[in-house]
Amino acid sequence: GAGVSQSPSNKVTEKGKDVELRCDPISGHTALYWYRQSLGQGLEFLIYFQGNSAPDKSGLPSDRFSAERTGGSVSTLTIQRTQQEDSAVYLCASSLGTGYPGEQYFGPGTRLTVT
Amino acid sequence: GQQVMQIPQYQHVQEGEDFTTYCNSSTTLSNIQWYKQRPGGHPVFLIQLVKSGEVKKQKRLTFQFGEAKKNSSLHITATQTTDVGTYFCAGRPQGAQKLVFGQGTRLTINP
Repeated sequence: GAGVSQSPSNKVTEKGKDVELRCDPISGHTALYWYRQSLGQGLEFLIYFQGNSAPDKSGLPSDRFSAERTGGSVSTLTIQRTQQEDSAVYLCASSLGTGYPGEQYFGPGTRLTVT
Repeated sequence: GQQVMQIPQYQHVQEGEDFTTYCNSSTTLSNIQWYKQRPGGHPVFLIQLVKSGEVKKQKRLTFQFGEAKKNSSLHITATQTTDVGTYFCAGRPQGAQKLVFGQGTRLTINP
C-alpha cells in the first residue's frame, strides 16, 4: 500500500509523562529504524530492528527510551518520564533488508514537544 | 565508533552556482546512499553507490564513490531553487547491518 506511516503526527506532553509513538512500515519490509532529529540538526540513530534478530539498541540515549516491534511489522517507541530535551521529531524508516536495494523509506515523523 | 563525517554543514549559493557536499567515513563502506530532506519534510532516498570509484548522474546531480570506498561526494550543477534542502549521506560499514548517517549539509539558495 502506501508508504511508512507514523502516529501521532504531533504530540504535546507535560514533563514527566510517558509517550508512545507508533510506526507502520511498508508491508514486507524487514528492517525498521527509529531516528531522532532536533530542529535543524542531523539524524540521530536510536534503534534498529532486522527481522527476528535482536534489535540494535546502541543509539537509545537513556533507559527511559524503549522500543518494540510486534510481529515483525508495527513498532512502538516509548519514552518514559519525558524531559524537555526529548523534544524533537522522531522519524521511522523501513527498508527491504540489509542488502541492495536497501534504501530507507521514511515516514513523515512525529513532532514531540515536552512542556 | 563508526563515523561518517559530512562537510560543509551549511552552504549558501546564488542560483545558478554549483554546489558540492563531501562525505568521509572512518571505515570502509559496503555502500553509500544519499538522501534529500526538504524544509519541513522527511528524508527521501536519492541514490545508492556500491562499487569502488562509481559515478552516477541524475540530471544536474553527480554522485561519486571513492576508490577506497571511504568517501563520497554529491555535486549539483547550476543550482535551482528547487534544490534547497539538507543533503545527507548514509554509509553502511563493511560487516555492519545498519546505515550510519552523516550530519547533513544544508543548502540554501539566493534566487
